Amino acid sequence: RKEVEQDPGPFNVPEGATVAFNCTYSNSASQSFFWYRQDCRKEPKLLMSVYSSGNEDGRFTAQLNRASQYISLLIRDSKLSDSATYLCAVYDTGRRALTFGSGTRLQVQP
Amino acid sequence: DAGVTQSPTHLIKTRGQQVTLRCSPISGHKSVSWYQQVLGQGPQFIFQYYEKEERGRGNFPDRFSARQFPNYSSELNVNALLLGDSALYLCASSQLSGGGYGYTFGSGTRLTVV
Repeated sequence: RKEVEQDPGPFNVPEGATVAFNCTYSNSASQSFFWYRQDCRKEPKLLMSVYSSGNEDGRFTAQLNRASQYISLLIRDSKLSDSATYLCAVYDTGRRALTFGSGTRLQVQP
Repeated sequence: DAGVTQSPTHLIKTRGQQVTLRCSPISGHKSVSWYQQVLGQGPQFIFQYYEKEERGRGNFPDRFSARQFPNYSSELNVNALLLGDSALYLCASSQLSGGGYGYTFGSGTRLTVV
């Protein structure tokens, strides 16, 4: 089993739609969680950290469920510019490393 | 302010050759981490350096090595290149050794091994 798993998609949604991505992780001792956005052939960029209480940044909402070991990202009112690959990442304190999922590709269509 | 800078941006090497990739962290950041991203996968951790010491190592063969300099810049070396080493190599910078606040990545070095 992979340490961090994501549905690769692609998710094809119309502009204005709401879309949600889930990500599961295997290390129950993980403490820090993140969503990154990666455009084609570019570097990953930190979208948001994920906190236990859930957190929101504009149209983006991230949630953490420690009991079920998954994190989620909700995007409301999708824009064409949201088209990208979304990577979830879990920080492993022991290895001092981020472990990434393989990413979920989102394509927002006009 | 300059972000994380990596050089070169692109590189083509032949199997068996050696390559050195370079990274300069954000000013004031003392930690540099290296990741390899092959097409269709998420980045995979190679090394972390903090204050010139290796603090973490991923599951990569000994052909991969790195070092950090007094100015906190870093080099990643890969010897005896294989076709499978073709990937985007990313450098990440953070102020502290821990990654609890997320990392800032450079734009990467795209290595092609032929």
